[in-house]
Amino acid sequence: AQKITQTQPGMFVQEKEAVTLDCTYDTSDPSYGLFWYKQPSSGEMIFLIYQGSYDQQNATEGRYSLNFQKARKSANLVISASQLGDSAMYFCAMRDFLGNQFYFGTGTSLTVIP
Amino acid sequence: EAGVTQSPTHLIKTRGQQATLRCSPISGHTSVYWYQQALGLGLQFLLWYDEGEERNRGNFPPRFSGRQFPNYSSELNVNALELEDSALYLCASSLVLREGADTQYFGPGTRLTVL
Repeated sequence: AQKITQTQPGMFVQEKEAVTLDCTYDTSDPSYGLFWYKQPSSGEMIFLIYQGSYDQQNATEGRYSLNFQKARKSANLVISASQLGDSAMYFCAMRDFLGNQFYFGTGTSLTVIP
Repeated sequence: EAGVTQSPTHLIKTRGQQATLRCSPISGHTSVYWYQQALGLGLQFLLWYDEGEERNRGNFPPRFSGRQFPNYSSELNVNALELEDSALYLCASSLVLREGADTQYFGPGTRLTVL
């Protein structure tokens, strides 16, 4: 079974608009961590934001925020005021402490249109 | 502070040969992870080393192996290369942000091409 599901293979957004990238996860571990990474065409994975399963508030890092809905097991990434440099692949990931492993989704390709 | 480094950047081998990929973690990080990313696909977890020990491995055959050295750098070895081993191999090292939270920081990757 998929541990991390990203249902949007590709997304387009107008520059300066906000965009939400979807991510749902599956775990029976009560303690886990959720991450978002950006992968530009250069290939390097860039850490964006982290949310712990026990965190009461949604994580925010600059223009990135994580919409964490624990009961729905979703961890959507919201990018505000999109910039051309945001065009990249975005991966959602989960640290499963029970399974002692990291799981990555298949990614969403975001294109920012001028 | 230097990030995660990987060498070589590109590696071209033929079927049946062996490949060795290297990774140096961020200073102070003790955990190193290896992932395979085939073209157009997500990351598949390969191996996790921490404090010199293999902590976990993904669903890959035994011809994928590695080790971690006392300085926490790591090596990934792929024996008896097959065409489908062609991929970007990413190494990551981790820093514990707070209890139970490990954020992985990735290197630039090694692109392995098997002919």
